[in-house]
Amino acid sequence: AQSVTQLDSHVSVSEGTPVLLRCNYSSSYSPSLSWYVQHPNKGLQLLLKYTSAATLVKGINGFEAEFKKSETSFHLTKPSAHMSDAAEYFCVVSDDNDMRFGAGTRLTVKP
Amino acid sequence: GAVVSQHPSWVICKSGTSVKIECRSLDFQATTMFWYRQFPKQSLMLMATSNEGSKATYEQGVEKDKFLINHASLTLSTLTVTSAHPEDSSFYICSASNQRDRTDTQYFGPGTRLTVL
Repeated sequence: AQSVTQLDSHVSVSEGTPVLLRCNYSSSYSPSLSWYVQHPNKGLQLLLKYTSAATLVKGINGFEAEFKKSETSFHLTKPSAHMSDAAEYFCVVSDDNDMRFGAGTRLTVKP
Repeated sequence: GAVVSQHPSWVICKSGTSVKIECRSLDFQATTMFWYRQFPKQSLMLMATSNEGSKATYEQGVEKDKFLINHASLTLSTLTVTSAHPEDSSFYICSASNQRDRTDTQYFGPGTRLTVL
């Protein structure tokens, strides 16, 4: 069985400061890990995906995530937050067609 | 590429009526489609998985007679909420993947907000 835990339900940062959204996973196999963003009343958009290639994965909109097997973590980061980054972010672990979503982290960006 | 659409984007219906939501893959063949449900301020919960031409596989706790899923073609899946009640009000999201391209990438639709009065 696989699962994912997002350690913070809400993160608030000031515009221009770094963003860190934390995710830990549990999987019996080599996992495929992803981060999705969801803006209010919208569907999901894939930010980035790790599939056992480079451990540092670069995604869209300046986001990146690092896969750390020893820590079973896949934290999402961005050097400088923008107002448009305010949204809900989901960490996802998947194996074949079995996708498990984290509970989500709401990112608030203050001016 | 890999665009998934849903129709309608929102719907309001009376209790006891049935509502059909369509999910279409616009530029690829979706061998597998997934239906998720999202309650306010919560994560997505997988309801069912459907393969083209086969019966859907429902997750535990999801009533198959209430949430009818049809995946008759490689570009269209429908979810019908039968005899809807206020507790069925939710945000329903579909996703689609093409198993023939040997990836497990799912492409998500924009979602449908259902409100049952």
